[in-house]
Amino acid sequence: DTGVSQNPRHKITKRGQNVTFRCDPISEHNRLYWYRQTLGQGPEFLTYFQNEAQLEKSRLLSDRFSAERPKGSFSTLEIQRTEQGDSAMYLCASSKSPRGKNTEAFFGQGTRLTVV
Amino acid sequence: AQTVTQSQPEMSVQEAETVTLSCTYDTSESDYYLFWYKQPPSRQMILVIRQEAYKQQNATENRFSVNFQKAAKSFSLKISDSQLGDAAMYFCAYRSAPSYDKVIFGPGTSLSVIP
Repeated sequence: DTGVSQNPRHKITKRGQNVTFRCDPISEHNRLYWYRQTLGQGPEFLTYFQNEAQLEKSRLLSDRFSAERPKGSFSTLEIQRTEQGDSAMYLCASSKSPRGKNTEAFFGQGTRLTVV
Repeated sequence: AQTVTQSQPEMSVQEAETVTLSCTYDTSESDYYLFWYKQPPSRQMILVIRQEAYKQQNATENRFSVNFQKAAKSFSLKISDSQLGDAAMYFCAYRSAPSYDKVIFGPGTSLSVIP
């Protein structure tokens, strides 16, 4: 297992187009998180899943954003009708459902979205 | 709601010297975890060190150590014998222990290491 994998690494799209990103978590991790990070800022929480259930969504996640995790494995994040303000790094992280000391979230390398 | 604050947007340190990055947080919970994550340029975020709130002893990982002051809600990171590879964004982060849900990040401190 090579860690959390995100695809694509970079995406350039025209304003108004739809985009979809994929995240493959570490195989034994049942929690999966999506964050958005703009240049020079800390990651902002978007949403997270435990297995296939989406447990929390941030108010940052507008109606144009949707995330899924079918079968509790990989996850997709779709942005519809992209806007220039959506340009950011989208980070995925995974962790075990914490029991004991398994508190660490492992991050992928992110997908950098540029909306032109 | 929990918040994490890092008051130093940028810091610099001479190679081989020691630097301390500051972090404060706000929470009403008594049980939680605190983390420092490192994000090198164009590379993925990795965990540097973690602290469990119920432990009074400060965590240490090789050249990295923390000063955890629970009453003051302060969690600083000390990097000793700084190396060029330490140059990165450093994020202080919080995670609730009872709910173990999302990690909340501070805005980050950009650390430069001067040869």
